[in-house]
Amino acid sequence: GAVVSQHPSRVICKSGTSVKIECRSLDFQATTMFWYRQFPKQSLMLMATSNEGSKATYEQGVEKDKFLINHASLTLSTLTVTSAHPEDSSFYICSAGRGEQYFGPGTRLTVT
Amino acid sequence: LAKTTQPISMDSYEGQEVNITCSHNNIATNDYITWYQQFPSQGPRFIIQGYKTKVTNEVASLFIPADRKSSTLSLPRVSLSDTAVYYCLVGDNYGGATNKLIFGTGTLLAVQP
Repeated sequence: GAVVSQHPSRVICKSGTSVKIECRSLDFQATTMFWYRQFPKQSLMLMATSNEGSKATYEQGVEKDKFLINHASLTLSTLTVTSAHPEDSSFYICSAGRGEQYFGPGTRLTVT
Repeated sequence: LAKTTQPISMDSYEGQEVNITCSHNNIATNDYITWYQQFPSQGPRFIIQGYKTKVTNEVASLFIPADRKSSTLSLPRVSLSDTAVYYCLVGDNYGGATNKLIFGTGTLLAVQP
């Protein structure tokens, strides 16, 4: 199947700083990618839909100014957590695909 | 998007067949049913997808009755490595332009020796 990668796999940052997470589709082009957040022992929660060449669509309750999404090419979407706080610590996962969705391995963000 | 209901958890032993049932009473005509597997600290992995009747691949079978209001994922002869969370999702995402997936609670399958 198709491969979706994420970088970094884990990151630790200090409160108030910004962190960028990359999501890449390695062997296919993706006009649409999705970003999820998962807290321990909980299900995945869809945060936003990343659209190549246009603005992202955010789910209700997700702060668009805090979670900046850029989908500048057909193989790359980035999620930037701005002014991160400890409550932003979570597992962030992206997905891409047409029909069948392929998920990245996830990025563990810890804000201290 | 149709809401799904699954058991929160299930227990099994190695070598047994496990059947996980998912209810999706509001499934739409264009919706497909997809099952994913997730291990801790990993992204979900596609298991199987179907529209009606029965689908089988190398790892699982998916049974869908005629009314499509439920589906059953069947895992033959599970092993310890099948311990994971299994998610059932429905949506108009098979070959479509948008593939927004809303995850339910999932089923935590614990396989014991």
